[in-house]
Amino acid sequence: EVRLVESGGGLVQPGKSLRLSCEASGFAFSNYAMHWVRQTPGKGLEWVSGIKWDSGSVGYAISVKGRFTISRDNGRNFLYLQMTSLQPEDTALYYCAKTGYYDGGREYFDSWGQGTLVTVSS
Amino acid sequence: QSVLTQPPSLSGAPGQRVTISCIGSGSNIGAGLDVHWFQQLPATAPKLLIYGNNNRPSGVPDRFSGSKSGVSASLAITGLQAEDEAVYYCHSYDTGVGGWIFGGGTKLTVL
Repeated sequence: EVRLVESGGGLVQPGKSLRLSCEASGFAFSNYAMHWVRQTPGKGLEWVSGIKWDSGSVGYAISVKGRFTISRDNGRNFLYLQMTSLQPEDTALYYCAKTGYYDGGREYFDSWGQGTLVTVSS
Repeated sequence: QSVLTQPPSLSGAPGQRVTISCIGSGSNIGAGLDVHWFQQLPATAPKLLIYGNNNRPSGVPDRFSGSKSGVSASLAITGLQAEDEAVYYCHSYDTGVGGWIFGGGTKLTVL
């Protein structure tokens, strides 16, 4: 069974940094692209960042580009999100999501963790 | 404002059929990019309902179906049940922003 467990969230002041972790189990982590998606309390979903299986390609939403860095450790089955220069608008529940593949490599998000809450406030 | 447009809310009586629309543009759905759908129950993580426009993962009832045409996609739910009350999101990739996008979500109420 796929299991994704996020951690590292908390209350942080504007301008500070935080690192989120996602521990993966139940599947061959090193074979799959992974993503971070956030959800503002009471609002919708926003893709934050994604990383290919071998870290060879990463992508970021415009809203976080230059401030957030995604990485992974395939030996330990961990996904990370280093967040710097945090702003109140970054306050959200952050989910990690696993990619599934179909039709020769097309991607979709097939499993999600339960999320970790980040609150940016002074 | 989301790149994919969904109605904010919808309602239906038990047993009825409802359809949730998702309207995109030429840089996402209209560019041939596939649409996926998620269901989010209160205080839970999103759950995959449909991938690749019309494919159901194992365990998803066949009451749920997806379709795509032109720049829009739809999620249909037949035989509406009380447990279907949730927020539904469409999801795709956008070549303009160079990243994944979500619809704003549709809150479905079962009357």
